[in-house]
Amino acid sequence: EDQVTQSPEALRLQEGESSSLNCSYTVSGLRGLFWYRQDPGKGPEFLFTLYSAGEEKEKERLKATLTKKESFLHITAPKPEDSATYLCAVQAWAGGTSYGKLTFGQGTILTVHP
Amino acid sequence: DAGVIQSPRHEVTEMGQEVTLRCKPISGHDYLFWYRQTMMRGLELLIYFNNNVPIDDSGMPEDRFSAKMPNASFSTLKIQPSEPRDSAVYFCASSFGQGQHTQYFGPGTRLTVL
Repeated sequence: EDQVTQSPEALRLQEGESSSLNCSYTVSGLRGLFWYRQDPGKGPEFLFTLYSAGEEKEKERLKATLTKKESFLHITAPKPEDSATYLCAVQAWAGGTSYGKLTFGQGTILTVHP
Repeated sequence: DAGVIQSPRHEVTEMGQEVTLRCKPISGHDYLFWYRQTMMRGLELLIYFNNNVPIDDSGMPEDRFSAKMPNASFSTLKIQPSEPRDSAVYFCASSFGQGQHTQYFGPGTRLTVL
């Protein structure tokens, strides 16, 4: 069974204080690892997809990296508007043309204080 | 460009009543997903469709839950009869298969069963 564990559960930062969120996973053949951002009362918003170990993607103050066992979401010089819950999900290869479902972690609640 | 549309945004009902949640996916997307999010269990996949056909309903908790997709632009998730433990936020997501498989989420329906 695919499993995703995110840490820490909650992270409080001062504005400008860089840090990283962790997503550890076990999956029977990784098809893709996804990062989403979720604001209170809203649906998850897509950030990145990573497909293979060593891959990196960046968007503004965020950079996602991937190894064979985990992914990191690095936040550089965060601002209060970066406060949100960050969700990680994995998709496994399924047989034939089947679509492997996404398995989500519990998320990391990030709070950035001004 | 309109994203995934869900209605209603909030639903309060009494135990035993029928509840119908609605979703309009992004035009051109051929996959549609129904998720449930709770504090205890996080984001769980209930069922997904490909080209209007249900592919995997293994996440549907009980026979009280049913989902339909009569055409490419509309899907419903029905709970009959509803129970207090069904209280959660229900999300619909859509994606274009055979490509990046990124799922785009709607704003969700917050269901409260009294």
